[in-house]
This record gives sequence, C-alpha cells and structure tokens, in this order.
Amino acid sequence: AQKVTQAQTEISVVEKEDVTLDCVYETRDTTYYLFWYKQPPSGELVFLIRRNSFDEQNEISGRYSWNFQKSTSSFNFTITASQVVDSAVYFCALSEANTGNQFYFGTGTSLTVIP
Amino acid sequence: DTEVTQTPKHLVMGMTNKKSLKCEQHMGHRAMYWYKQKAKKPPELMFVYSYEKLSINESVPSRFSPECPNSSLLNLHLHALQPEDSALYLCASSQVFKGTGVKYGGGEQYFGPGTRLTVT
Repeated sequence: AQKVTQAQTEISVVEKEDVTLDCVYETRDTTYYLFWYKQPPSGELVFLIRRNSFDEQNEISGRYSWNFQKSTSSFNFTITASQVVDSAVYFCALSEANTGNQFYFGTGTSLTVIP
Repeated sequence: DTEVTQTPKHLVMGMTNKKSLKCEQHMGHRAMYWYKQKAKKPPELMFVYSYEKLSINESVPSRFSPECPNSSLLNLHLHALQPEDSALYLCASSQVFKGTGVKYGGGEQYFGPGTRLTVT
C-alpha cells in the first residue's frame, strides 16, 4: 500500500496566486517524521522541512507554510504569492521510527507557475 | 555546510563498460544512500549504508555494486548495465538517531545533484 499519497499530479497557477500541495500519509507507528522536498528542473532534491509526529504546530517560512493535521493524516504545503522560481516537482516523504532511515516518497506534484 | 557532491554529472556508457559513480559528504552523517530516479517518478531507494555497513539492499541487480570506503565517501560500481538502467542516480546522506539498540528514523536526507546516466 502506498504510504504517502500526493493526489495532485500537476498544478498550474499564475504568478502571485497562492497554491496548496496536498500530502496524505499512512502509518501505524506513533513516532514518525514527515518531509517536503523540492526538485527543480536541474534535478537536485532540496530539503524544505521536517516535522515529527509529536509536533503538530504549523510552520511558516517566508512564503512557505505547512499544515500538519494528525486527525486527517495530512501534511499540506502552501506557497503564498507564487513565483516562477517555485516551478518544480515537490515530493512529500515519510520515515517511521521502526524502519530506521528509510524514506517513503509520494509520487510528487509538478507545479508550474506561469508568469 | 549541507553539501553532498557527486561525480560525474553526466555519464554515457556502453553495456560492456565498467564505471563508478562517486559521492562525498562532510557533514559528519553516518547514513548514506543511493537512489535511482526515472523521469517523472519519485526516487527509488537502492542501498543504505549505516555506519559504513550496508543496512538495506532493495533487491538491486548485482550489476550495481555499492561500496562505502569511509564515513564520507560512497561509490556505486556499474558493470554490464542495460539500457533500462538509464536514469538519474542520486546520493544522499543523513544523521542516524540511535536509541538503545534501536535505530530511529527522522534525520532529513541531504541530496547531491545526481549523475545522469545513459546506457547505450
């Protein structure tokens, strides 16, 4: 079964619009970690954020914000006032305490910001 | 310094060639990873080294042979590859959080820029 689901395959927005990327995860562990990565066309995966299962506080970093809700097993990512440089594939990932360092990646959401 | 370096950036090899991919990190991380990524797909885990020992091998064909000479270096030796092995090969590293006899996940992985491999 897919542990991380990113239902949005591709999203296009016009510059300055806000956009939310959805991530739903599945785990039986009580201790787990959630991540978001950005992969621009150059190919390198860039780490954006890590959240552990005991910390449900939402986080804001500049134009980026993350909404972690255990009740719905979701960890959504919002970009405010999108820019062309935000165009990339975004991956959500999960790691569980009992499987050590292994990451489970979602299938990714390709975001295109149109100028 | 959160940099992971990989060489070469691009590699074209024939099916009978032997080549190696190299990865280096100086963040003091004790877990290192090889991933394979095809276009429009997420990275697929190939191997994990933890404290320089192979801890996960995701049933990768023997034509891929990993090596971890020390805590900073990770190699992937390639031999007799097939055209379907053409992909982006990504290296990553992370901390290992270790409890009493149990390894915990949680460390974010830092990725290198990848090697674009083409097998002809």
